[in-house]
Amino acid sequence: GAGVSQSPSNKVTEKGKDVELRCDPISGHTALYWYRQSLGQGLEFLIYFQGNSAPDKSGLPSDRFSAERTGGSVSTLTIQRTQQEDSAVYLCASSLSSFRGETQYFGPGTRLLVL
Amino acid sequence: TQLLEQSPQFLSIQEGENLTVYCNSSSVFSSLQWYRQEPGEGPVLLVTVVTGGEVKKLKRLTFQFGDARKDSSLHITAAQPGDTGLYLCAGMYSGGGADGLTFGKGTHLIIQP
Repeated sequence: GAGVSQSPSNKVTEKGKDVELRCDPISGHTALYWYRQSLGQGLEFLIYFQGNSAPDKSGLPSDRFSAERTGGSVSTLTIQRTQQEDSAVYLCASSLSSFRGETQYFGPGTRLLVL
Repeated sequence: TQLLEQSPQFLSIQEGENLTVYCNSSSVFSSLQWYRQEPGEGPVLLVTVVTGGEVKKLKRLTFQFGDARKDSSLHITAAQPGDTGLYLCAGMYSGGGADGLTFGKGTHLIIQP
């Protein structure tokens, strides 16, 4: 079956521009996660959704980052006024539920480069 | 801040050799997972360990969870070039915290033919 898909696969933008990253989870998965992978920093958890609700947004790096999920499916991660330090691979994962320990399936990521 | 220390960070060995990767924390995990990631792709789950002292085998890969559920190891026997990749450990902590996984920084493994 189809896995987690993300778009775009690559994005180059200029400092100060806004970008929107999209994630399509596996059909039927109610939980959706966003992570950021930077060189030297490893994978960093940003936010998760159970359905359309994000119980805890404290993992987002700054108030320039926001995320939403509609219809219990597609999610978008928006970065406003991008900075060079936002350059990273943004990974999305989904799981059947948000039960702790439920297997998370990852998408291929969006590679963001801020010039 | 809960940290997962993974070592070594880089490892390059010859085909046929054995190797071990370690994952350590000062906190207790409710579960720990090992992932493998190849360039341009997301991490792919290899195994989940839940019980202290648990040992799981996946062909030439052996995963062990420490008795106190604070550490884990991945041992590869007779490494093959196809084992090359980034190996990541990730855990869910027992004491709550964010519901996402906490990842180690990974071990970049290169198996030379």
